Amino acid sequence: AQSVTQPDIHITVSEGASLELRCNYSYGATPYLFWYVQSPGQGLQLLLKYFSGDTLVQGIKGFEAEFKRSQSSFNLRKPSVHWSDAAEYFCAVGLISNFGNEKLTFGTGTRLTIIP
Amino acid sequence: ETGVTQTPRHLVMGMTNKKSLKCEQHLGHNAMYWYKQSAKKPLELMFVYSLEERVENNSVPSRFSPECPNSSHLFLHLHTLQPEDSALYLCASSQFGGNTEAFFGQGTRLTVV
Repeated sequence: AQSVTQPDIHITVSEGASLELRCNYSYGATPYLFWYVQSPGQGLQLLLKYFSGDTLVQGIKGFEAEFKRSQSSFNLRKPSVHWSDAAEYFCAVGLISNFGNEKLTFGTGTRLTIIP
Repeated sequence: ETGVTQTPRHLVMGMTNKKSLKCEQHLGHNAMYWYKQSAKKPLELMFVYSLEERVENNSVPSRFSPECPNSSHLFLHLHTLQPEDSALYLCASSQFGGNTEAFFGQGTRLTVV
């Protein structure tokens, strides 16, 4: 079965600083990979996704992520964070089941705090 | 506006009550999902409906009963819940067939008292 590990429960960075959130996955084949963001009291919004092709993917809000097969990682990065980036970030692995639908397995999330 | 709407946004219910959560998607997707988000735990997939047919039930207690009358609507019927069922319940939809992602609603915050 697939699994996702987000080793950092909580990260604090200064506004304007760079950010990297770690994600490692366990899956037998090349998975579909996602990063979602959740603001307090809200649902999940997709930041970016990787299905195939270029291993560096660009997302919304200035985020990017790089798929590294050799490390089973899909880390999320942003060169300069804004106060509005404070939220919870979830990495997820998706696979297509026998029924054709998509099953997502999520990590436990990383809470990002931004300080002035 | 995410295209997936959940109602109500907040619900408080007693352990003997019966209530229902509603989800509606306006994206033309053919698969819908219920997830449970509890504090300090990963999101847990509860149910999957594909083409209005339940295709997955991840060992969810029978006090949770899903219903998918058509491809746009998904319900979660609740009865005799326990306090540990208090959580954020998220609905999602997707269009399977590759290169697709799930779109989530804003969730229903359920408190069982």
